[in-house]
Amino acid sequence: EVVLTQSPGTLSLSPGERATLSCRASQSVSNSNLVWYQQKPGQAPRLLIYGASNRATGIPDRFTGSGSGTDFTLTISRLESEDFAVYYCQQYGISAWTFGQGTKVEFK
Amino acid sequence: QVQLQESGPGLVKPSQTLSLTCTVSGGSISSAGYYWSWIRQPAGKGPEWIGRIYNSGSANYNPSLKSRVTISVDTSRNQFSLRLTSVTAADTAVYFCAGDNWVKAAFDIWGRGTMVTVAS
Repeated sequence: EVVLTQSPGTLSLSPGERATLSCRASQSVSNSNLVWYQQKPGQAPRLLIYGASNRATGIPDRFTGSGSGTDFTLTISRLESEDFAVYYCQQYGISAWTFGQGTKVEFK
Repeated sequence: QVQLQESGPGLVKPSQTLSLTCTVSGGSISSAGYYWSWIRQPAGKGPEWIGRIYNSGSANYNPSLKSRVTISVDTSRNQFSLRLTSVTAADTAVYFCAGDNWVKAAFDIWGRGTMVTVAS
């Protein structure tokens, strides 16, 4: 099973600042199978990025996904108030989808 | 716009079977391009994929749960279902149903989730 490790666990930032979230895989992941979600309390995850770098429908361009192999990054260029949430990366491996443990972006 | 809604008991006793149903509305479960998955999330933790099914009935399961999980589909009712046997407190979680988009290789449709507690 591919293990995804996200860092940092918590990111304390202010609106307007840049957020850089990391997702590291225990073995190489196909770019086409790396996904990012945003989750707010009491809600289901929301698809942000698929195929490592493709924004989902309706996702603003301040969200950018990048990376390849075992290292992937989600960048939020200028945080807005609605961006404070938990972010998960996910991959599809040989036999199962696996998720990271999440990075919480909180108000500083 | 396709929507998903989970339903089922919120409390299950240890050693018993957890059963949930997901109803698909606003579209057909038989539409090409989607697998239909169950995902769970314990409080304060990341999601865990349980398994998925295609409208043909072909299913795949997370190896860590495979021995206890069955996912089935009822195309006439536009529903798919989850059965998880021999539950313990470790199975307490919010359970989501989700649409797994083939093209995007991502879950782009989610139900709101339903909390299931395993306790006596």
